[in-house]
Amino acid sequence: DQQVKQNSPSLSVQEGRISILNCDYTNSMFDYFLWYKKYPAEGPTFLISISSIKDKNEDGRFTVFLNKSAKHLSLHIVPSQPGDSAVYFCAASLYSGNTPLVFGKGTRLSVIA
Amino acid sequence: EAGVAQSPRYKIIEKRQSVAFWCNPISGHATLYWYQQILGQGPKLLIQFQNNGVVDDSQLPKDRFSAERLKGVDSTLKIQPAKLEDSAVYLCASSLGEDRAGVTEAFFGQGTRLTVV
Repeated sequence: DQQVKQNSPSLSVQEGRISILNCDYTNSMFDYFLWYKKYPAEGPTFLISISSIKDKNEDGRFTVFLNKSAKHLSLHIVPSQPGDSAVYFCAASLYSGNTPLVFGKGTRLSVIA
Repeated sequence: EAGVAQSPRYKIIEKRQSVAFWCNPISGHATLYWYQQILGQGPKLLIQFQNNGVVDDSQLPKDRFSAERLKGVDSTLKIQPAKLEDSAVYLCASSLGEDRAGVTEAFFGQGTRLTVV
């Protein structure tokens, strides 16, 4: 039973355009949502997060949107750059602190120059 | 600041053999996690430590997997005996472990890629 779902295994985007990565979750108790980026042969690195009390969080080119009623979040990257090509994981946790993260399967983003 | 260190980076063993992985978390991080990432999947939690105590090991296959975190710092994860389906990347992560508003990010090591043949 997958609690965090990323239904698009891959996405290709032209350099300079917007990349939109989607994530759905089933557990309404999740309070924090995070996006991790993973390059080959490296561990996941934290990218951006959002608390359930917000609906948007921005950090430079990266914006995460949260729609609690739909149990859906998305990561927007504008403008997309070739260096953004990586696997992006959506993750969720029950509340702040040290509860473990539940990950989706990931979406491979390819930014084409 | 040094990141999470893991060794070895790669390991190839035959089924039914044993293997051990080592993790050194970020200094001061009380919480340590071991995740298993099978090819094409997201990381799946195996065990979580808070200092040297186990918080969650509900998804650890205890008949073959064991983990310890002596003195609340370094940790080892062992598999004995290994099965073909244990082939995966084993990721160690650490976090501050304090309850604070905002981000609950964990910092990951590079992982150990295990191949069981």
